[in-house]
Amino acid sequence: DAGVIQSPRHEVTEMGQEVTLRCKPISGHNSLFWYRQTMMRGLELLIYFNNNVPIDDSGMPEDRFSAKMPNASFSTLKIQPSEPRDSAVYFCASTLQGGLTDTQYFGPGTRLTVL
Amino acid sequence: SQQGEEDPQALSIQEGENATMNCSYKTSINNLQWYRQNSGRGLVHLILIRSNEREKHSGRLRVTLDTSKKSSSLLITASRAADTASYFCATDGGSGNTGKLIFGQGTTLQVKP
Repeated sequence: DAGVIQSPRHEVTEMGQEVTLRCKPISGHNSLFWYRQTMMRGLELLIYFNNNVPIDDSGMPEDRFSAKMPNASFSTLKIQPSEPRDSAVYFCASTLQGGLTDTQYFGPGTRLTVL
Repeated sequence: SQQGEEDPQALSIQEGENATMNCSYKTSINNLQWYRQNSGRGLVHLILIRSNEREKHSGRLRVTLDTSKKSSSLLITASRAADTASYFCATDGGSGNTGKLIFGQGTTLQVKP
């Protein structure tokens, strides 16, 4: 399997612009997680889906952030409008919920810089 | 605050030495996992220990779990320069197989050649 795929790997944008991050989970996995990592706050869970349904979005910082999972093989995280404080590395991870373990498989991340 | 808190925050050792990292957590758990993150990369799962286990080995890794103290340790023996990375513990917080994990802040390990 190709593993979790994220795109783009790097994104540089200006404040106020819309940013869309994309994730393709591992085939067969039914749970998908979006994380944000910064030096100051560490690894934060933003939202997670189970069977394409958002289960817990309590980590989404504010209304500027939204996430969708239209099908089992694709998810997006959108920031509109973006702000410099959104600069971070955004990770997507997937797992097989209900399996023997909760091991999560992470993508390579998207490094977002908002100028 | 984070469920898992790693200690120390940073560790620097010479190649060949052993590295020990500790993790404390707050709530009951079903299992605890350790992950590694190389610079600029995503996290990679290393090892999982269940709440009814006390010790587990995988190659040069040894993990212990003390549920009475709500703590775990990760020991890397005979460290190599390639072990340089950040290490995170993660717990399910007793969430009952939802797949959700709670990660600590991590320990940054530097192994000098």
